[in-house]
Amino acid sequence: DTAVSQTPKYLVTQMGNDKSIKCEQNLGHDTMYWYKQDSKKFLKIMFSYNNKELIINETVPNRFSPKSPDKAHLNLHINSLELGDSAVYFCASSQGGTSRKTQYFGPGTRLLVL
Amino acid sequence: DQQVKQNSPSLSVQEGRISILNCDYTNSMFDYFLWYKKYPAEGPTFLISISSIKDKNEDGRFTVFLNKSAKHLSLHIVPSQPGDSAVYFCAASAMTGTASKLTFGTGTRLQVTL
Repeated sequence: DTAVSQTPKYLVTQMGNDKSIKCEQNLGHDTMYWYKQDSKKFLKIMFSYNNKELIINETVPNRFSPKSPDKAHLNLHINSLELGDSAVYFCASSQGGTSRKTQYFGPGTRLLVL
Repeated sequence: DQQVKQNSPSLSVQEGRISILNCDYTNSMFDYFLWYKKYPAEGPTFLISISSIKDKNEDGRFTVFLNKSAKHLSLHIVPSQPGDSAVYFCAASAMTGTASKLTFGTGTRLQVTL
């Protein structure tokens, strides 16, 4: 009964490819997030959706496109992958979009671009 | 621009002793602070938080102290246990429009030795 799940867990791909990472939460939360943890271990927010509406959109290349088909899912599609996209991507969810609500993280997707 | 800093990348403490993890921030708009714990190959999990109107919050073996004038917070774990060995991330939050955004530090790896 995983609370926040991500697929795939590992992703190895070539430069220039397009890939998607999926996230699902079964906590009944209304807000979901994508974070990127780079090689320097910085964990930075990329996007946040509240009730399927984009509420946070950080300075992220437009090759990254999040999609929220419903409150329980937030997918991340990446076009034309570059070496610098190699990182661990974490999905998270919370009830409400304010920081006072605990964010629950998925296990991460390790993306390696060759 | 690193707004949340954890200057100690690692810390080793003997079992039963106190662990003190430190965090500094630069953005005076931050009004809520959190600590997350992360085991390898897992996502971060929420540990404890503190609002800027308080200077201390305690939960069992974990206590967070906030010094707003110094823009400094610390996490105390006492007594430390081997299961506490993990990476600890400090995070700070400020409202961005109708949403809030967490800014994370780079983490401190705590090792509790027998």
